[in-house]
Amino acid sequence: AIQLTQSPSSLSASVGDRVTITCRASQGISSALAWYQQKPGKAPKLLIYDASSLESGVPSRFSGSGSGTDFTLTISSLQPEDFATYYCQQFNNYPQTFGQGTKVEIK
Amino acid sequence: EVQLVESGGGLVKPGGSLRLSCAASGFTFSSYSMNWVRQAPGKGLEWVSSISSSSSYIYYADSVKGRFTISRDNAKNSLYLQMNSLRAEDTAVYYCARDPNGYAFDIWGQGTMVTVSS
Repeated sequence: AIQLTQSPSSLSASVGDRVTITCRASQGISSALAWYQQKPGKAPKLLIYDASSLESGVPSRFSGSGSGTDFTLTISSLQPEDFATYYCQQFNNYPQTFGQGTKVEIK
Repeated sequence: EVQLVESGGGLVKPGGSLRLSCAASGFTFSSYSMNWVRQAPGKGLEWVSSISSSSSYIYYADSVKGRFTISRDNAKNSLYLQMNSLRAEDTAVYYCARDPNGYAFDIWGQGTMVTVSS
């Protein structure tokens, strides 16, 4: 199974900061990667699909990049509603594994 | 409104069985692959199972293979997960999720809690 390793596992940031989260795959997955945001007690919400395509309705401060084994989710200017846990997921093959998550906390 | 609503969760003893349901509305259910994802308390997301639109292709995580069975009824706009031989480690919130194109899960239900305990 393909393993996805996110870094960091958690981070503290301030409103307005630029935040970058990395997801590394144990083998190449082309661009078959999605990013989700999850808030406590809620279902995950799709942010990015196909590594860099922004889901409809998601603010443009979110962006994704990468291909092969290394991927990045960037929040250009962190907003209060962005404090949450973020997960990557690969769709290259089954099982469709998730990263372990990155918790973004208020500094 | 596009919506997925899970039901069927609850408390079950180890070795017991449970059947989860996911009711879809607001979209053409029969056109989409569907999935189950779970999240143990305080833990991350774990993909559990996927089923293609016509049920031709079915996949399972190794952790549930042989114990769980995914199915769907396109006439009833419903997805199911039959869970047998349940273990304590199956305790989690179970989400159903839609896959529109093989590259993401774009719609998720609110989740249903399954607790396996004696």
